[in-house]
Amino acid sequence: DAGVIQSPRHEVTEMGQEVTLRCKPISGHDYLFWYRQTMMRGLELLIYFNNNVPIDDSGMPEDRFSAKMPNASFSTLKIQPSEPRDSAVYFCASGTWAGGGETQYFGPGTRLLVL
Amino acid sequence: DAKTTQPPSMDCAEGRAANLPCNHSTISGNEYVYWYRQIHSQGPQYIIHGLKNNETNEMASLIITEDRKSSTLILPHATLRDTAVYYCIVREDYGQNFVFGPGTRLSVLP
Repeated sequence: DAGVIQSPRHEVTEMGQEVTLRCKPISGHDYLFWYRQTMMRGLELLIYFNNNVPIDDSGMPEDRFSAKMPNASFSTLKIQPSEPRDSAVYFCASGTWAGGGETQYFGPGTRLLVL
Repeated sequence: DAKTTQPPSMDCAEGRAANLPCNHSTISGNEYVYWYRQIHSQGPQYIIHGLKNNETNEMASLIITEDRKSSTLILPHATLRDTAVYYCIVREDYGQNFVFGPGTRLSVLP
């Protein structure tokens, strides 16, 4: 398996523009997670899905952020409108239940810079 | 908030064992201990997890104290490629969030 795939790997945009981040989880995994990482706040969970259904979105910063998972092999995280404080590395992870615990496998991340 | 406490940084000589401690004094009976690491500019990588018993895999060993209030991740023969931030995470069965604290920055020195 190719692992979790994220695109784009880098994104530079201007304030106010819409940004869409994409994720393809590992086949067979029934959990999908979106994280954000900054120097100030570290690694934060934004939202996670189980069997394509959003379970907990309490980490989503505000209404400008939205996430969807239309099927088991694809998810998007959208920011509209984007702001400079959204600049961060966004990670997607997928997971499944194994050996008495849940293991998450992370993608390479999307580095977002909002000017 | 993270339920674990880790030293902010550690050094280890190449080829020697790296022992990374983690305190989780408030752990409850159904919470697992997970270890992940993040090499610079990459996504976090799963290493190992356990509940009560010590665990070993191809990457590392996890030693959990009998009272489960602390654990140690052991990299038996550290290499330069093991230089990374190591996160110790405590969480219940699925349905709970992973909370990543600041972790321990391990530097393996030649």
